[in-house]
Amino acid sequence: EDQVTQSPEALRLQEGESSSLNCSYTVSGLRGLFWYRQDPGKGPEFLFTLYSAGEEKEKERLKATLTKKESFLHITAPKPEDSATYLCAVITSSTLGRLYFGRGTQLTVWP
Amino acid sequence: NAGVTQTPKFRVLKTGQSMTLLCAQDMNHEYMYWYRQDPGMGLRLIHYSVGEGTTAKGEVPDGYNVSRLKKQNFLLGLESAAPSQTSVYFCASRTPRTSGKNTGELFFGEGSRLTVL
Repeated sequence: EDQVTQSPEALRLQEGESSSLNCSYTVSGLRGLFWYRQDPGKGPEFLFTLYSAGEEKEKERLKATLTKKESFLHITAPKPEDSATYLCAVITSSTLGRLYFGRGTQLTVWP
Repeated sequence: NAGVTQTPKFRVLKTGQSMTLLCAQDMNHEYMYWYRQDPGMGLRLIHYSVGEGTTAKGEVPDGYNVSRLKKQNFLLGLESAAPSQTSVYFCASRTPRTSGKNTGELFFGEGSRLTVL
């Protein structure tokens, strides 16, 4: 059975304290892994797409990487405005029309 | 350009009542989705559609029906609401492929908060 697991469930960082969020997957035929950000009371907002192991994407203080078993979202020198829930999702060869989401990591960055 | 619009944004129902959530997108996207989000459970796919006139079941379809009569609209119906259907419902849409690759860029609505008493 395909699974997407995110860790930790919650993470508190002081402003400027870099860290990483993890998304591990056990799926057959990964066709893409995606990261989203969700602010309270809002719909998720797309951040990155990763298609193959070794691929990296960057946007401001965020950097997403992908291996054959997991993806990391690295946050460098975070600011309070980076506080949000970060979700990862996958598309596989058997679920091409659908994205399956992990449960998310709730990130809080305090000044 | 409004993107994805969901109506209503809030609704309170009594057990056994029926209702329909409407999702409208103005981006000419082929694929549309209905998810529910519950605390600690993440986003779970209810039903989805890969084109006008087509629908398919997701992870948690029981108790829900959908219709996609027009490309821009995707309706989610609850025929007999139950307290277990209290949740935040999100509609999303996307174009399936860009440059030959699956694009996972979903565009989400703001959510519809449903409470069933």
